[in-house]
Amino acid sequence: DAGVIQSPRHEVTEMGQEVTLRCKPISGHNSLFWYRQTMMRGLELLIYFNNNVPIDDSGMPEDRFSAKMPNASFSTLKIQPSEPRDSAVYFCASSLLWSEQFFGPGTRLTVL
Amino acid sequence: AQSVTQLGSHVSVSEGALVLLRCNYSSSVPPYLFWYVQYPNQGLQLLLKYTSAATLVKGINGFEAEFKKSETSFHLTKPSAHMSDAAEYFCAVSGGSSNTGKLIFGQGTTLQVKP
Repeated sequence: DAGVIQSPRHEVTEMGQEVTLRCKPISGHNSLFWYRQTMMRGLELLIYFNNNVPIDDSGMPEDRFSAKMPNASFSTLKIQPSEPRDSAVYFCASSLLWSEQFFGPGTRLTVL
Repeated sequence: AQSVTQLGSHVSVSEGALVLLRCNYSSSVPPYLFWYVQYPNQGLQLLLKYTSAATLVKGINGFEAEFKKSETSFHLTKPSAHMSDAAEYFCAVSGGSSNTGKLIFGQGTTLQVKP
């Protein structure tokens, strides 16, 4: 198994631009999680899905952030418009029911 | 509701010394508990997990943790530290089979190993 796949691995963009982060979970997993990690705030859960349905998006910082999971093998996290304070490492993780989560390698986002 | 507290944001040990990383949790239901490790510029990797079976759990790279319900603790230990153990370690709790798999993470502990 290839594990959780995230793309791109690095993204540098300018303030105001739209950013789309992508995630392919492990095949067969039915839960998907998006996290953000910064030095100041640590690891934060943004949103998670069960069976492609968003369950809890209370961690999404504001309306500029949105996430979708159109099918069991793909999810996106979009930031529009992006701001410098969105610079962070974004992780996607997947799991099967209540078992352990498997993390992807992350996307390092820099907003100039 | 669940929460996790990791005591000590930075721990420094000498190579060959005992590693002890502390984690206390609170949970209103029987918890599942996890330790993850994050090496620089990488994602989180599962070290070990407790899911209501044996209270002493062995993980990868020689680490183990003991679930102590009376102390609401799940401390991570390793008898002899290696330089390669230098990383950030996260303790996490979930509501076990009663929830949807959401993990609550601690703030992390950075382990430094001195030669």
